[in-house]
Amino acid sequence: DIQMTQSPSSLSSSVGDRVTVTCRASQGISISVAWYQQKPGKAPKLLVYAAYRLESGVPSRFSGDGSGTDFTLTISSLQPEDFGTYYCQQYYSTPLTFGGGTKVV
Amino acid sequence: EVQLVESGGGLVQPGGSLRLSCSASGFTFNNYAIHWVRQAPGKGLEYVSGISSHGRNTYYAYFAKGRFTISRDNSKNSLYLQMSSLRAEDTAVYYCVKDRMVSAISHLDYWGQGTPVTVSS
Repeated sequence: DIQMTQSPSSLSSSVGDRVTVTCRASQGISISVAWYQQKPGKAPKLLVYAAYRLESGVPSRFSGDGSGTDFTLTISSLQPEDFGTYYCQQYYSTPLTFGGGTKVV
Repeated sequence: EVQLVESGGGLVQPGGSLRLSCSASGFTFNNYAIHWVRQAPGKGLEYVSGISSHGRNTYYAYFAKGRFTISRDNSKNSLYLQMSSLRAEDTAVYYCVKDRMVSAISHLDYWGQGTPVTVSS
């Protein structure tokens, strides 16, 4: 199975900050990565797929980058509604696997 | 509107069995793979199992192999997860999740609200 290692596990930020979350795959996975946001008590929400494609309706302050084994999710200017936990997921091969999550507080 | 509604969760004793169901609407069910993803209390997302659109291919996380069985009934727009030999570490909210791509495995675009499973004596 492909392992997805996400860092940091938690980060403290303020409104307006630029925030970057990193995900590293245990083997090359092309651009088969998605990013999700989860708020407490809610189901995750798809933000980015194919490493950099923004899901419809997602604000442009979110962006994804990377290919191969290293990927990033960046929030250019953190807004109050962006606090939550972010997860990467690979779909290069089955079983699908998730990163451990990054809590933005 | 796409809807995924899970049911069947509850309290079960260690070693017991449980069958989860997911009722889907708002999309052509038999065109898409569907998956189960779980989340233990205070923990991250964990992939459990998936099934291809036609049901011929199934996928399992290592911990689910041999204990869990995924199935679907396209005539009823329904997905199932039969879980047996349950352990305390299987305690989690189980989400039913739709795949984005037609007849492929990819990213996940719609999630149900989840059904909680508690394994305890």
